[in-house]
Amino acid sequence: GESVGLHLPTLSVQEGDNSIINCAYSNSASDYFIWYKQESGKGPQFIIDIRSNMDKRQGQRVTVLLNKTVKHLSLQIAATQPGDSAVYFCAEKPPGYSTLTFGKGTMLLVSP
Amino acid sequence: DSGVTQTPKHLITATGQRVTLRCSPRSGDLSVYWYQQSLDQGLQFLIQYYNGEERAKGNILERFSAQQFPDLHSELNLSSLELGDSALYFCASSTIAGGGETQYFGPGTRLLVL
Repeated sequence: GESVGLHLPTLSVQEGDNSIINCAYSNSASDYFIWYKQESGKGPQFIIDIRSNMDKRQGQRVTVLLNKTVKHLSLQIAATQPGDSAVYFCAEKPPGYSTLTFGKGTMLLVSP
Repeated sequence: DSGVTQTPKHLITATGQRVTLRCSPRSGDLSVYWYQQSLDQGLQFLIQYYNGEERAKGNILERFSAQQFPDLHSELNLSSLELGDSALYFCASSTIAGGGETQYFGPGTRLLVL
């Protein structure tokens, strides 16, 4: 689930593990989705995106899965590294809108 | 480095004051978006400009205004500042106006209102 403010959901993993970060989006008609990574003190950094006509998209060490039936998006990070530690946000774009709606974020902590 | 620049990086001011935040989009990007990020509200969309014209408006207060200049840089003006306006303000840019593409974020301006 999602939390507000300092009470971000947190995922703690060991270096080398695979990580899965989940996101429930709100609008069943949203046609574009993005995952961003935000490190402390920095701006959100693009990781990967997917359009609603796809179920899966792969990047370098990352995979995004889209399940439109249950309005669920997930980000899989393979062989997680300490440098992956950050807050991860999903964002959706409803049809007819030019802007993104962001989720509250999940904090990923990777231990060496 | 996303290619989006923002100044200043930090800003400390007092309640009631007015400040201006500046953003330069990535080369070739025509759309600029402003977001506010606070601890209790997450990333909130404020306003979008495309090629000099306002394109979309989000949760932007009447005390806040923005504009995009002919050289495509944008400024966000915050006036009559309140303690609750303390937040990170991000600018993002994209090539087109429709939103179905990646928005690239700048490093942000951290505003502290005392």
